[in-house]
Formats: sequence, C-alpha cells, structure tokens
Amino acid sequence: QKEVEQNSGPLSVPEGAIASLNCTYSDRGSQSFFWYRQYSGKSPELIMSIYSNGDKEDGRFTAQLNKASQYVSLLIRDSQPSDSATYLCAVEGSAGNKLTFGGGTRVLVKP
Amino acid sequence: EADIYQTPRYLVIGTGKKITLECSQTMGHDKMYWYQQDPGMELHLIHYSYGVNSTEKGDLSSESTVSRIRTEHFPLTLESARPSHTSQYLCASSVAGRNEQFFGPGTRLTVL
Repeated sequence: QKEVEQNSGPLSVPEGAIASLNCTYSDRGSQSFFWYRQYSGKSPELIMSIYSNGDKEDGRFTAQLNKASQYVSLLIRDSQPSDSATYLCAVEGSAGNKLTFGGGTRVLVKP
Repeated sequence: EADIYQTPRYLVIGTGKKITLECSQTMGHDKMYWYQQDPGMELHLIHYSYGVNSTEKGDLSSESTVSRIRTEHFPLTLESARPSHTSQYLCASSVAGRNEQFFGPGTRLTVL
C-alpha cells in the first residue's frame, strides 16, 4: 500500500462545475496536509494547507480533512479551463521532517 | 523579491560527465530539498537538509550528492552522469518547523 494514494484520473469536469479530489494516507500520526497544483512541464505550486479536522476555504478552493478516516480532499468550485492541471496531495509524516507526495490527480476542465 | 532559483533550466550532456545543478533561495528558509520527477510520474525525495552542514538522504536512492555550506545554497552533484539520470530535478525550501514547501522552476536533465 502506498503511503499517500490518489486517483490518477483524468477527472473531467465541465466549466463552472465542482471538481472533487480525494487523497488517503497511511500514517496515522500525520499532522500537516497540503495540496499542490502542477501544470504540465512546470513545478508544483502550493495552493492549500490544512492542519485540523474540518473544512478550510480559500477562494474557489476548499480543503477537507478527516484524520479519523485518514483522508483529505480538495474541492474546486466554479472550475475554469485554467484549473486543468495535476493536483498533488502531500502529507507530512509523523516524524515531521519531510513530505510524502501522492501520484497526483489529473483534472481536465472542458469549456 | 524572495524566491527560489535553479540553474540551468535545461541541460543536455554526455555520459560520464560531472554535473552540478544549482539551487538558491532568498526566502531565508532553513530547510531545503531535492526531488526527482519523471514526466507524468510521482515526485521522489532524494536529498534534504535542515540547515548549514546538514544533509540527509531521501526516500529514493540516488547516486547524486549534495552539500549545504551556505543557508541559501543547496547544490546537487552527479560525478558521472548516465542516461538513467535523465529526469526533472526540483529544488524546494521551507521554514524550520513547518513543511509548507516552495518549489523552484526545476532543471530538466538529459544524459545522452
């Protein structure tokens, strides 16, 4: 079992719809969780961080964390073609010294 | 402007050459990292550093070496490049005590 798992996609959503991405992790001691966006051929860009259970909203993005179930999700509201990218889930291990990245979910927003 | 820089952005080199990939950050971050990523594939941590004179190996075994003589500088060296080293190398940094990592633009290495 991978430490951080994501559905590779592609997740195809029509413009204006909500894109819902999920991520599960295996280390129960993990405390910090991050979502990165990576455009093709570019480096990852941090878009959200979440540390406690519940929802955290930032603009059109909402991160949701459930430590008991060991999953973290990202919602993208009012999806735009510019949101088409690979979204990486990253989890800080219980040792607190590094991040483990999932394989990413590719999102395609169709006009 | 605080940022993280990588040079060169693209490098095509022959087998057996020694190469150094440069990474510098002006954000005052203590922690720095090197990742390797093949196209469409996962990020793999190959080296990290907590600060000056601190270096650790990451999760993916790598023939590269790193050094951290200055806080802002974290170069990666391959003594003898091979075609299997062809990949994208990404440098990142974070503040001590936090793991929000910020990435440089990457170096795309091709070894012929």
